[in-house]
Amino acid sequence: DIQMTQSPSSLSASVGDRVTITCRASQSISTYLNWYQQKPGKAPQLLIYAASTLQSGVPSRFSGSGSGTDFTLTISSLQPEDFATYYCQQSYSAPREFTFGPGTKVDFK
Amino acid sequence: EVQLVESGGYLVQPGGSLRLSCAASGFTFSSYWMTWVRQAPGKGLEWVANIKRDGSEKYYVDSVEGRFTISRDDAKNSVYLQMNSLRAEDTAIYYCARGTYLLGSRHMDVWGRGTTVTVSS
Repeated sequence: DIQMTQSPSSLSASVGDRVTITCRASQSISTYLNWYQQKPGKAPQLLIYAASTLQSGVPSRFSGSGSGTDFTLTISSLQPEDFATYYCQQSYSAPREFTFGPGTKVDFK
Repeated sequence: EVQLVESGGYLVQPGGSLRLSCAASGFTFSSYWMTWVRQAPGKGLEWVANIKRDGSEKYYVDSVEGRFTISRDDAKNSVYLQMNSLRAEDTAIYYCARGTYLLGSRHMDVWGRGTTVTVSS
């Protein structure tokens, strides 16, 4: 099974900050990597798929990069509505299996 | 409007059974894989099960294999999760999600609001 890790597990930032979250897979997954945002009490929302493709309607301040085992989600200028938990997800072994990372919580500094 | 609405979550005793439902609207349901994802209290997301467009393929996370069954009824635009032999560790919010295949990527692009399952005596 493919294991996913994320770092940091949490971070504190201010509006306007550039934020970077890292996701690592236990084996190469090419670019089969998705990112989701979840706000408290809400369902997750898809942000980025195929490592770097922005989902329709997602602001351009979000970007994704990486391939193989190491991936990055970047928020270029943090906005108040971006305070949330972010999860990566591998789909390399889909549809047989999906695996989420443990999440990174972004909160106010 | 594309929408998924889950129902059926309840308080159930350990060893009991429950059937969750997810009603889809606003898209051609029969054209999509469907997925269940759960989230235990204060924890992260865990993929639970997938079902292919025609129901011919089903996949499960190891921890529910043999206890949970995913199914679908395209005539009713609905997907279900039959949960048997429930354990305390199955306590979670259960989300229904649409699986999309685009640019070689499989991802979940539409999510319901979730339904809460509590397993406790």
